Order: sequence, then C-alpha cells, then structure tokens
Amino acid sequence: AQSVTQPDIHITVSEGASLELRCNYSYGATPYLFWYVQSPGQGLQLLLKYFSGDTLVQGIKGFEAEFKRSQSSFNLRKPSVHWSDAAEYFCAVGARGFNKFYFGSGTKLNVKP
Amino acid sequence: EAGVTQFPSHSVIEKGQTVTLRCDPISGHDNLYWYRRVMGKEIKFLLHFVKESKQDESGMPNNRFLAERTGGTYSTLKVQPAELEDSGVYFCASSQYLMSPLHFGNGTRLTVT
Repeated sequence: AQSVTQPDIHITVSEGASLELRCNYSYGATPYLFWYVQSPGQGLQLLLKYFSGDTLVQGIKGFEAEFKRSQSSFNLRKPSVHWSDAAEYFCAVGARGFNKFYFGSGTKLNVKP
Repeated sequence: EAGVTQFPSHSVIEKGQTVTLRCDPISGHDNLYWYRRVMGKEIKFLLHFVKESKQDESGMPNNRFLAERTGGTYSTLKVQPAELEDSGVYFCASSQYLMSPLHFGNGTRLTVT
C-alpha cells in the first residue's frame, strides 16, 4: 500500500541553524515527490518537486530536497533557517498514471530567536 | 491568476445537520481534488474530478458525503447528516494536468458538535 511517513511531528531549531525534515515513502511505481508548506490560516504552497533527473532539487525560499531511491526518502533541507520558515511541512508522493497524491502527517517547525 | 477559493473558511454545526462546502478552482484547471485532514493526521484523499466527471471517489468515507462539480467549474461537498468524526479541515485543490503540482485553497475547518 502507498504511504508517506514523516517521522518528526515537531521540530524546533534556532534561527540561522540548518534544517532537515525527513520523509520516507512506500510506493509501487516510480514516484513523483513533493514538499508543501502550510503557514497558519493558509493553504498548502508547493516548495519543490521531483519527477526525474537530478536527484537534488532546488525549490523556493532556499529549500532543497534530495531523492534517495535506495532509502525511499526525500528529505527537505535548508542551510540557514529564518523565523518566517515557522510553519507546517508536508511531504507528498504520486506517480505517473495515477490520479491521486498521498500526503504525510506533517512536521511542525518552530524557529527559536 | 486567482487562486483556489473555498467557502466557508469555518463552519460549526451540530451532529445531524447538513453542511455544504464550496470550492472554486483556478480557471482552466480540469482536475479538482478534495482532501481532508483530521486533527494532526495525514491529509487524506477524498475524491478527484476531471471536469465534471468523478474519476475516483475511493476516499469518500461513506454515503453521507456527496460531491458534485457543476459544468466542470466549481465543486461542492455536502455532508448529510454530519457526525462528530467528520470534523476536520477540508481542502480543495486543482491542477491543469494529471500529476501536476496541486494548487490548494485555504481549507474549510468543519467542527461538528
């Protein structure tokens, strides 16, 4: 069965520190992978996506993610976190020929001054 | 371009009542999805429209939920009669092509008391 696991429910980092949010997926087909961010009261906004090619993808707001097929992972990273990055982050997976995306349960990021 | 619009943003109803949620997708987006997030859990797929046709409603919890998409434009999701476990945030999302990244509305927070 298809699933997405985000093992960290809450993460707190200091402003300026680096960040890595974990995502593992279980999917029978070659996956399409996404990270979305949700700020309070807002909808989900796409940060970045991976369809094929270079396994390190760059997104908006200085985020990047790396697809590791052998580990079934798509972890999100940022070298230096800003207070405005405090939000909830969702990993999602889909696949060519399928019509729906599967989402994880989200990771809430808190940024300390 | 105007984004995905959902109405209402919040709804509080009593068990047994009826509620109708509305979604206006981005103009020209044939694909429309409904997702739901129950408190702290993953964002779960409910159903997918292509234009006015339901492509996949495998995520609809039961027959108390009815979704329509009139003329391939806006969509409604009706819950009748509402139960306590229906509480959550209902997201609508649209995309131009299948497996394109989703554009999300801000969600409707439904509370059933």
